[in-house]
Amino acid sequence: DTAVSQTPKYLVTQMGNDKSIKCEQNLGHDTMYWYKQDSKKFLKIMFSYNNKELIINETVPNRFSPKSPDKAHLNLHINSLELGDSAVYFCASSQQDRGVYGYTFGSGTRLTVV
Amino acid sequence: DAKTTQPPSMDCAEGRAANLPCNHSTISGNEYVYWYRQIHSQGPQYIIHGLKNNETNEMASLIITEDRKSSTLILPHATLRDTAVYYCIVDQAGTALIFGKGTTLSVSS
Repeated sequence: DTAVSQTPKYLVTQMGNDKSIKCEQNLGHDTMYWYKQDSKKFLKIMFSYNNKELIINETVPNRFSPKSPDKAHLNLHINSLELGDSAVYFCASSQQDRGVYGYTFGSGTRLTVV
Repeated sequence: DAKTTQPPSMDCAEGRAANLPCNHSTISGNEYVYWYRQIHSQGPQYIIHGLKNNETNEMASLIITEDRKSSTLILPHATLRDTAVYYCIVDQAGTALIFGKGTTLSVSS
């Protein structure tokens, strides 16, 4: 009954590989997000989707491609992984008007590129 | 960029109230103030939010000054489990939440 679930929780991979992180929410929210938290602990918005439509696309290398098959899912695919991509990636969801609970975050995916 | 300023760190004794300040002097009339916290490496957790009036829920109280240029998050009886990074965020309409550096609250026994 997890509200926002991400898989996998840990991901260790070699440079140059392609990998995907999956996110699902069962809250009925219409907006989903991907955030990146680097080693300095800064949380930065990467992408935002509202009802499967991309609405925010921050300055992120085009090796990162989000995909939203439906409004309950937002996956993140990363091509040609680099050492600097190592970070914790958080998925989140909300209603467009934020509502009482604001954003609900997943527990994160720790990506390590070696 | 984040529209808020918070002290980088604070200490609090267990059982005492923790008062975390936040400055948001450029806040606009329709922008909410949100507070989140991140415990260790978990996902950020919503605490409370407000527009003009003071707010209270089971986790905390939020006091917003009359001019809305600053606010204070109050944890009435801090416990060791409240040790976390606390983020004060001005919710800018049409954008995603922008996180600043937050305040690292250390609660000790």
